[in-house]
Amino acid sequence: DTEVTQTPKHLVMGMTNKKSLKCEQHMGHRAMYWYKQKAKKPPELMFVYSYEKLSINESVPSRFSPECPNSSLLNLHLHALQPEDSALYLCASSQSPSAGITDTQYFGPGTRLTVL
Amino acid sequence: EDQVTQSPEALRLQEGESSSLNCSYTVSGLRGLFWYRQDPGKGPEFLFTLYSAGEEKEKERLKATLTKKESFLHITAPKPEDSATYLCACKSGGSNYKLTFGKGTLLTVNP
Repeated sequence: DTEVTQTPKHLVMGMTNKKSLKCEQHMGHRAMYWYKQKAKKPPELMFVYSYEKLSINESVPSRFSPECPNSSLLNLHLHALQPEDSALYLCASSQSPSAGITDTQYFGPGTRLTVL
Repeated sequence: EDQVTQSPEALRLQEGESSSLNCSYTVSGLRGLFWYRQDPGKGPEFLFTLYSAGEEKEKERLKATLTKKESFLHITAPKPEDSATYLCACKSGGSNYKLTFGKGTLLTVNP
């Protein structure tokens, strides 16, 4: 089973709202990722958690705040977003981020976010 | 800087008309090349991982191959349900986590 789940599927929010995206995997993977994807573009990496610790932040604005409560869950907290933040937000996970091992990232279905 | 280039940007085929998609890469110390399929509004679906030149992998109508400079995704006798965007991504020796993606090939298979 290589399933990554994401909720909600769709989210519409105003620029003053606070909302959260949720991602879950039960494959025992120890690396989890957030990506942002605009229409007709490839996914862009935002954050990486490895063994529940933030390993990479690709200079993402502070209005996006990631959280990894445990090895199966990944959240993305959203606050004071801009209309240009509207996109498909993808979560992914991979088995082992250890050096020397090339592991495959498995993506969830995504959350379609619209900021009004 | 790592670069991944996919061609063509878009490809239209008739059902049953076999063809190939190309992914050329310039990556420092390739550790893996990945093919994904993505349907509109959905997350990428994993297809193949290739690790070394000469490697080939097959799944139903799809076959992926790898050389030292490029990878091909061969589609044999495609069906309309094969219509999707196909993404190629590479992982270099410089990172345990980062993938460099190509811009994708939009494949349309007409019945």
